[in-house]
Amino acid sequence: GAVVSQHPSRVICKSGTSVKIECRSLDFQATTMFWYRQFPKQSLMLMATSNEGSKATYEQGVEKDKFLINHASLTLSTLTVTSAHPEDSSFYICSARRGDVPEQFFGPGTRLTVL
Amino acid sequence: AQKITQTQPGMFVQEKEAVTLDCTYDTSDQSYGLFWYKQPSSGEMIFLIYQGSYDEQNATEGRYSLNFQKARKSANLVISASQLGDSAMYFCAMREGNSGYALNFGKGTSLLVTP
Repeated sequence: GAVVSQHPSRVICKSGTSVKIECRSLDFQATTMFWYRQFPKQSLMLMATSNEGSKATYEQGVEKDKFLINHASLTLSTLTVTSAHPEDSSFYICSARRGDVPEQFFGPGTRLTVL
Repeated sequence: AQKITQTQPGMFVQEKEAVTLDCTYDTSDQSYGLFWYKQPSSGEMIFLIYQGSYDEQNATEGRYSLNFQKARKSANLVISASQLGDSAMYFCAMREGNSGYALNFGKGTSLLVTP
């Protein structure tokens, strides 16, 4: 199967600090990776689309200076929440596209709590 | 405008019975894909089933089938022989032809399977 990991699974930080979340495709090369955000009891909202070696494409309303995305290789994308505030507390999920099948493969998610 | 509509916030079904989760979509693209994902309380997103807009047959995967009615723009998920482990949130999602493979999710339906 296609496995996507995320690290860390849970993080608690103080307001004003930056937090980096890693998303890795473990057994395949991901043509594209995606970052979603999910508030409690709500749906997944796409934040950005990330292709290896190029700048991420952000959805309308998502601050690219706040949510820095780096896609350094075909198996790794990182999301850095800069100067985090309590309103950034959320569940962040990444997914990866393999290219030979239509579905995306999701990581287990990262729960961010900003105090 | 909402592209994916799931009108059932919550559903109950008795174990071993079948249940239908509704999903309607809105797109002007001729080429698109429809997906169903399951999200248990752990938060992971589990791919269930996919239907392409040009597929003439309804998709089936084990106990899951997708009732695709293109003219009505509906893509309902049918779960047969429900099991207690089917209790989870279910999300319908669409990928449009020009979306760069990003998924647009509905608000989800919470399914509870009772003994």
